[in-house]
Amino acid sequence: GAVVSQHPSWVICKSGTSVKIECRSLDFQATTMFWYRQFPKQSLMLMATSNEGSKATYEQGVEKDKFLINHASLTLSTLTVTSAHPEDSSFYICSATPGNLAGYTFGSGTRLTVV
Amino acid sequence: DQQVKQNSPSLSVQEGRISILNCDYTNSMFDYFLWYKKYPAEGPTFLISISSIKDKNEDGRFTVFLNKSAKHLSLHIVPSQPGDSAVYFCAASANFGNEKLTFGTGTRLTIIP
Repeated sequence: GAVVSQHPSWVICKSGTSVKIECRSLDFQATTMFWYRQFPKQSLMLMATSNEGSKATYEQGVEKDKFLINHASLTLSTLTVTSAHPEDSSFYICSATPGNLAGYTFGSGTRLTVV
Repeated sequence: DQQVKQNSPSLSVQEGRISILNCDYTNSMFDYFLWYKKYPAEGPTFLISISSIKDKNEDGRFTVFLNKSAKHLSLHIVPSQPGDSAVYFCAASANFGNEKLTFGTGTRLTIIP
């Protein structure tokens, strides 16, 4: 079955630094990848949709200059949290689909803690 | 604007009984619905889905029912097992495939041995 690998699974960083999270589709080509954020005891909120080779589409209220998304290949998308602050601490999850009604596969998530 | 809602934040069910999780949506453009199971600090795991052309889909112990006129769907788990204890999210999409998913607020299911 389709597998999506997300790395790292957890990261602690200092306020003001940047953190990069990788999302890889291991056995399929992901035409579209999605990035979600989940705060404790809340739902998964879509942050942005990225299509390979084009700019990401951000949801309302998500700062594109703070959350940089790169989808340079059909198997890799990255989310960079720039100048992280404690309020950015959250659980970040990616999902990928090869398109054509093939379904979504989620990564295992990244717990980001900004101190 | 919460387009997908799960009004019960938690549910406790005796082992062996039926668990019924409910989900309501407001966007009439949604035509594909999915249920996911999630443990803390892990990504969601797909359980079952249903398209708007059906009103029922069954897979083993899991059955999803869709009532389009009421904009309501439910997930039935029978018989419930201790391993089913988790948070369950329903999600909806306007065009399954490349379209984004909108998630509900989640229901924490606890199966009592």
